[in-house]
Amino acid sequence: GAGVSQTPSNKVTEKGKYVELRCDPISGHTALYWYRQSLGQGPEFLIYFQGTGAADDSGLPNDRFFAVRPEGSVSTLKIQRTERGDSAVYLCASSPRDGANVLTFGAGSRLTVL
Amino acid sequence: QKEVEQNSGPLSVPEGAIASLNCTYSDRVSQSFFWYRQYSGKSPELIMSIYSNGDKEDGRFTAQLNKASQYVSLLIRDSQPSDSATYLCAVNGDTGGFKTIFGAGTRLFVKA
Repeated sequence: GAGVSQTPSNKVTEKGKYVELRCDPISGHTALYWYRQSLGQGPEFLIYFQGTGAADDSGLPNDRFFAVRPEGSVSTLKIQRTERGDSAVYLCASSPRDGANVLTFGAGSRLTVL
Repeated sequence: QKEVEQNSGPLSVPEGAIASLNCTYSDRVSQSFFWYRQYSGKSPELIMSIYSNGDKEDGRFTAQLNKASQYVSLLIRDSQPSDSATYLCAVNGDTGGFKTIFGAGTRLFVKA
């Protein structure tokens, strides 16, 4: 597609529920990133993929968070047993596999855990 | 120590002035450095990238990199009210890799 698409744009859920956030990167971009941003903070790195594999998942806060990219394009971030502290904007970005590594961000998915 | 540090601000400058934004990073092997701009309620967008020591100019923006001091800066000349935003410094944290780490951002206000 023309840009990075994220769905849903807004998700309200209850504590303890399971949530999936989807990211559709720019066509041809092999690198895909997930960040989490809280109000007044910079984007916090969660995970990035090169192709289908997670190249670095060191930012995932705990085992409730998991992300997949089975065909090397669309990615899903999965959060189990949500907690109120998970409330944030989840940003997805993609980048072509080149030396510049400029990220193009989607509009984000705002998650609110009640 | 945070991997990428910025003064959170806010930094307030009058219209037409030069705004100077600074960033330090902790990983000496970092290779690529970026400045992103984020308007309130929007996603970050790239302003400048810099990969070698020295200055890089693009219109009203100049990025400066000093790898020995682990320091990156962004100068905005002839600041405009439309430049009011949060400026995020970002660094590729590992040699040959693509992990990009962001600072907390500096809020800039340009007063008309």
